[in-house]
Amino acid sequence: NAGVTQTPKFQVLKTGQSMTLQCAQDMNHNSMYWYRQDPGMGLRLIYYSASEGTTDKGEVPNGYNVSRLNKREFSLRLESAAPSQTSVYFCASSRRDGYNSPLHFGNGTRLTVT
Amino acid sequence: AQTVTQSQPEMSVQEAETVTLSCTYDTSESDYYLFWYKQPPSRQMILVIRQEAYKQQNATENRFSVNFQKAAKSFSLKISDSQLGDAAMYFCAYRRDHDGGSQGNLIFGKGTKLSVKP
Repeated sequence: NAGVTQTPKFQVLKTGQSMTLQCAQDMNHNSMYWYRQDPGMGLRLIYYSASEGTTDKGEVPNGYNVSRLNKREFSLRLESAAPSQTSVYFCASSRRDGYNSPLHFGNGTRLTVT
Repeated sequence: AQTVTQSQPEMSVQEAETVTLSCTYDTSESDYYLFWYKQPPSRQMILVIRQEAYKQQNATENRFSVNFQKAAKSFSLKISDSQLGDAAMYFCAYRRDHDGGSQGNLIFGKGTKLSVKP
């Protein structure tokens, strides 16, 4: 099983450039999430989607937009990249009806903004 | 707001020995879930163990076990018979018992880097 697939794995951008991080899951999960991981900060929630058609801001949403394209796919867009957005980005998914269902993570995207 | 604190940025253990990683959390809720995730150098996030707050019995998964102290809001991870492959970053995480909808996200601690010495 593929689980959660993120693309690309690595990306280098120049300040001001835009890009979209793609995420897809094949576990029929309702909820999907985008986190960023910075050294010494743990993982912080950027945006989440409780179900198809809904999205909500997390802890650090500024500078990002998301699209829940369908039940499988949840993309994260940087409209004008800044060096502060250099980070490792993780997509995750979980069942909605299982309250204790853990999050399943993709393998991450390492983004560098110069 | 809920917070999760891991007070040990780094820990070290000898192979075959036992190590305990600490985690405390702050919440006003009575029902919630706690998790430990492992992140090896490959960057993959791997679920190690989980605990439901309404269960008094501590969760166990092979060499991994937790000491859940609800009143103290403490959730430590014990790794027995440590192996070289256990070397990784370990994250403690909290999830509220939401009634469906938009509150199912995990809140993470900042992590503990575990080294295993041969």
